[in-house]
Amino acid sequence: DAGVTQSPTHLIKTRGQQVTLRCSPISGHKSVSWYQQVLGQGPQFIFQYYEKEERGRGNFPDRFSARQFPNYSSELNVNALLLGDSALYLCASSLATGTFTLYEQYFGPGTRLTVT
Amino acid sequence: GIQVEQSPPDLILQEGANSTLRCNFSDSVNNLQWFHQNPWGQLINLFYIPSGTKQNGRLSATTVATERYSLLYISSSQTTDSGVYFCAGASNFGNEKLTFGTGTRLTIIP
Repeated sequence: DAGVTQSPTHLIKTRGQQVTLRCSPISGHKSVSWYQQVLGQGPQFIFQYYEKEERGRGNFPDRFSARQFPNYSSELNVNALLLGDSALYLCASSLATGTFTLYEQYFGPGTRLTVT
Repeated sequence: GIQVEQSPPDLILQEGANSTLRCNFSDSVNNLQWFHQNPWGQLINLFYIPSGTKQNGRLSATTVATERYSLLYISSSQTTDSGVYFCAGASNFGNEKLTFGTGTRLTIIP
């Protein structure tokens, strides 16, 4: 079975531009989360989506937005890029069913974004 | 939110040595995972261990939920064990936010 997939692998953008990152969860997983990892730190939670609804949002500005599609894939959008947005963006999926149970999360290979 | 502390931050060992990595949580967690991040950035799942003890080959992990810590044991280290090890916890049933520690960088010398 395929794991979590992300595209593109690498991306170079200029300050002020907008970027869209894509994620496909493991087959059967309905929950997708996004994380940002800057060099030398652990990943930081950005969003979680379940059944196309936002379930959680981390401490990120409104320039960051996301959505989930009927096939459970997801997109992360970042507007008005800043140099500080340069990071590895990771997507994770889980078997979350919407009930009060926490499940193991599985991560994709990430998209490395460089803002110049 | 919860705070996660990992120790030691760096560890350099000879091949064949054993190591213990520690993770402390500021509050109770209902999900606890250990990951190994390879040089390309991929987070590889090692253990999902909110409580108890699990073993997988040369690796084992123990979480003492009541005392808010978890330990990862690596025995007979190999050079392929090198990399950064993260623990992460989640405490809120409303969403799946994982809070990560700052990691332990393990270097195994041949």
